[in-house]
Amino acid sequence: GESVGLHLPTLSVQEGDNSIINCAYSNSASDYFIWYKQESGKGPQFIIDIRSNMDKRQGQRVTVLLNKTVKHLSLQIAATQPGDSAVYFCAGYGGSQGNLIFGKGTKLSVKP
Amino acid sequence: NAGVTQTPKFRILKIGQSMTLQCAQDMNHNYMYWYRQDPGMGLKLIYYSVGAGITDKGEVPNGYNVSRSTTEDFPLRLELAAPSQTSVYFCASRGLAVDGKNIQYFGAGTRLSVL
Repeated sequence: GESVGLHLPTLSVQEGDNSIINCAYSNSASDYFIWYKQESGKGPQFIIDIRSNMDKRQGQRVTVLLNKTVKHLSLQIAATQPGDSAVYFCAGYGGSQGNLIFGKGTKLSVKP
Repeated sequence: NAGVTQTPKFRILKIGQSMTLQCAQDMNHNYMYWYRQDPGMGLKLIYYSVGAGITDKGEVPNGYNVSRSTTEDFPLRLELAAPSQTSVYFCASRGLAVDGKNIQYFGAGTRLSVL
C-alpha cells in the first residue's frame, strides 16, 4: 500500500546549526506534500508545502526539497532554535477525497 | 479566530463505556477528518467527511462512528470503549483545494485513556 515514512525517529542538533529531516514516499502519483510541526501536547501545525511540479520551496528559515526521481523530500531548518524542538511529520496526498498519509515523525531536539 | 476546536481535552473511560468526542470548525470548511495518534506513531485516519450529510471510512474505522449534520460539527462516537482505543484523537478540516493546495488544519487533540 501507499506509505510515507521518515528515515530517523530522532534528531539532535546544536542551537544555531542547520537541521535536515528526511522523508520518503512510495506513491508516484502523489502530487502534493506538507510538512507539519507538532509541539508537545498540541495538534500538528502547518509549516510548508510543495507541489510535485516544484523541486524546492522556501519559507521563513525553512526549505523543502523534493526529489521525485527517488521519491524523497526533506525539510531544512536554518539556524535551529530551541523553539524548533518538536516532532516533524511529512504527509503526502495519496488517497481520494484529499486524504493525506502521514509518516511516523522525527523528534527534533535542540541543544543549547 | 478559533479554527478547529476539540472537546474534551482529556478523558478517562472504563471498558465498555461510550462517549462522544466533539469537533467544531468556524472556517466554513467542507472537509473534516478524524485521526488517532498512538505513541511514537503518525496519524491514522479514522473517518472523514466531504460535506454535511456525507461521511466515509478511513484506514481504522472499527469501533467508531461519526455524523455530519452541519458544516461546522463533526462528532466522533465510541460506543463500547476498549483499551485499544487509548490514544490521542485529532480533528482536522480543510477547504476546497486552491491551486492544488490541500492544507488540513488541526485541533489541539483529545487525550483518551480506556482502563
